[in-house]
Amino acid sequence: EVQLVESGGGLVKPGGSLRLSCAASGFTFSSYSMNWVRQAPGKGLEWVSSISSSSSYIYYADSVKGRFTISRDNAKNSLYLQMNSLRAEDTAVYYCASHGMLGSYFDYWGQGTLVTVSS
Amino acid sequence: EIVMTQSPATLSVSPGERATLSCRASQSVSSNLAWYQQKPGQAPRLLIYGASTRATGIPARFSGSGSGTEFTLTISSLQSEDFAVYYCQQYNNWPRDTFGQGTRLEIK
Repeated sequence: EVQLVESGGGLVKPGGSLRLSCAASGFTFSSYSMNWVRQAPGKGLEWVSSISSSSSYIYYADSVKGRFTISRDNAKNSLYLQMNSLRAEDTAVYYCASHGMLGSYFDYWGQGTLVTVSS
Repeated sequence: EIVMTQSPATLSVSPGERATLSCRASQSVSSNLAWYQQKPGQAPRLLIYGASTRATGIPARFSGSGSGTEFTLTISSLQSEDFAVYYCQQYNNWPRDTFGQGTRLEIK
């Protein structure tokens, strides 16, 4: 069974930093591109960042470029998101999600971790 | 950016009836469209990819159709567990994937 388990969310002040983690199991993690997708309270879904299977290709949404850094450790079956210079508008549930085999849809999702940016 | 517009925003349907949800793209996305279901407090779940292919474990009452700019998700006979929010997503312009704003399917 595929499992993605996020951790690291919490309350942080504007301008602060936070590092999210996603532990993967039940599939060959090193073969799949991985992603972070977020959802602000009561709002829709927003793609945040993607990383290819070997970390060769990395992409960010314009809204987080220069502030967030995605990374992965295939030996540990783990995905990370380092979030710096956090803003109130970054408040959201952050989901870790894997790409499908046949395209960049998101076939498996974690349960999410809530990041709240507030003074 | 490709804008995805879902309609209606809210759809009220009785259990056992058919529900039809629409998703329109601001430019062609070929068949690179997915549908997700999200229940309160839960992560989204993939239902359909490639516009019409059901994901693993998705019941046959869910079907997707369309290509280019017009897409439809049909739920043939609504069950109580189907009442949720549904999102479409285009992935033709990866990594600039975009989601629709969602359709809330509620019990009539």
